[in-house]
Amino acid sequence: DAKTTQPTSMDCAEGRAANLPCNHSTISGNEYVYWYRQIHSQGPQYIIHGLKNNETNEMASLIITEDRKSSTLILPHATLRDTAVYYCIVHPNTGTASKLTFGTGTRLQVTL
Amino acid sequence: ETGVTQTPRHLVMGMTNKKSLKCEQHLGHNAMYWYKQSAKKPLELMFVYNFKEQTENNSVPSRFSPECPNSSHLFLHLHTLQPEDSALYLCASSRDGQEGGELFFGEGSRLTVL
Repeated sequence: DAKTTQPTSMDCAEGRAANLPCNHSTISGNEYVYWYRQIHSQGPQYIIHGLKNNETNEMASLIITEDRKSSTLILPHATLRDTAVYYCIVHPNTGTASKLTFGTGTRLQVTL
Repeated sequence: ETGVTQTPRHLVMGMTNKKSLKCEQHLGHNAMYWYKQSAKKPLELMFVYNFKEQTENNSVPSRFSPECPNSSHLFLHLHTLQPEDSALYLCASSRDGQEGGELFFGEGSRLTVL
């Protein structure tokens, strides 16, 4: 069973906000929503995570719906360097990262 | 710079060779991981070590042999590999015991088996 569903690909113009959606309708009460990204041929990079409140850091904002069944990662001013595959992952608070499962993600292409 | 260093970045080997991939983390983490990423496939978890003890082996063939001498170093010993083992091998580390979902990845070692 896929725990998250993401669009295969998205385009965004440079300087505009990139809004990447993720559906996780079967999320459990103790599962967090994590976002990672992977720039071509590099290792994945942690972006942000949240449980139920919206979160913001220097890289992005995470908006989680009140029912927690979906979320949106927002890159407020996308640049060409944000072109990457973005992974949305639900992960239980077990104190270990060994249950992180990466799916196929959303390939974001930022264009001029 | 993520604090996780992998060497070599590129490796080409024949099916009869023996080689090793090395990973070192400078973050004071207690858990280390090997992932495999084949072309057009999601990342696959291979092994997990926590405080030098192997805690997960995801049915990885014995031609891949991990070694974790301490919490900062992780090796993947390779022998008699097959061409289908060609992939990007990624090392990661984490500080387990907290929320536990934040992994720090190295840049990867791209392996080509001829």
